[in-house]
Amino acid sequence: QKEVEQNSGPLSVPEGAIASLNCTYSDRVSQSFFWYRQYSGKSPELIMSIYSNGDKEDGRFTAQLNKASQYVSLLIRDSQPSDSATYLCAVKIEAGGADGLTFGKGTHLIIQP
Amino acid sequence: GAVVSQHPSRVICKSGTSVKIECRSLDFQATTMFWYRQFPKQSLMLMATSNEGSKATYEQGVEKDKFLINHASLTLSTLTVTSAHPEDSSFYICSASSGGGNSPLHFGNGTRLTVT
Repeated sequence: QKEVEQNSGPLSVPEGAIASLNCTYSDRVSQSFFWYRQYSGKSPELIMSIYSNGDKEDGRFTAQLNKASQYVSLLIRDSQPSDSATYLCAVKIEAGGADGLTFGKGTHLIIQP
Repeated sequence: GAVVSQHPSRVICKSGTSVKIECRSLDFQATTMFWYRQFPKQSLMLMATSNEGSKATYEQGVEKDKFLINHASLTLSTLTVTSAHPEDSSFYICSASSGGGNSPLHFGNGTRLTVT
């Protein structure tokens, strides 16, 4: 069974600090990994995608993937109050398949002004 | 690019009635679309995979006769909740991928369904 685990939080971080969000997954053959941000009452929006081991940076966001340990993380530098949201980790099993993503329950992030 | 439009954004209906939700890919063709449901403070749960020109694939525990999916064109999939009950009240979100392989999913704005 495919499982994606996240700490539900809330994770409270002071404004300007680094927010660190973690995610573990159970299926070793997982190919693609995504971080989505979801504001309350809204649909998810894509923040980052990562496919190979290591770090991937995009602006204030850095995704980290470690397939051997089966975890993926998201770092948010210089956290802003507008970053307060629920962050969903999502995993896709087959590279070329048409499977939908498997989502974690999300981590509720609160950036304190 | 990769815009997915979903309509309506909010609907309130009476128990026993049916509700249709539309999902359109505006600037790309989507042979496959996905329908998710999200209850309050829960994760997104995949309900079904909608395939253009063929029958949808439903996840375990999702009643195919209750949640009718039609994917008649490369840009439109519809989800009809038939004989809705209060327990069907949820946030329904469609999504599609603009490319194959490792392409991410892009989500519609979701439909908040309330059954009274």
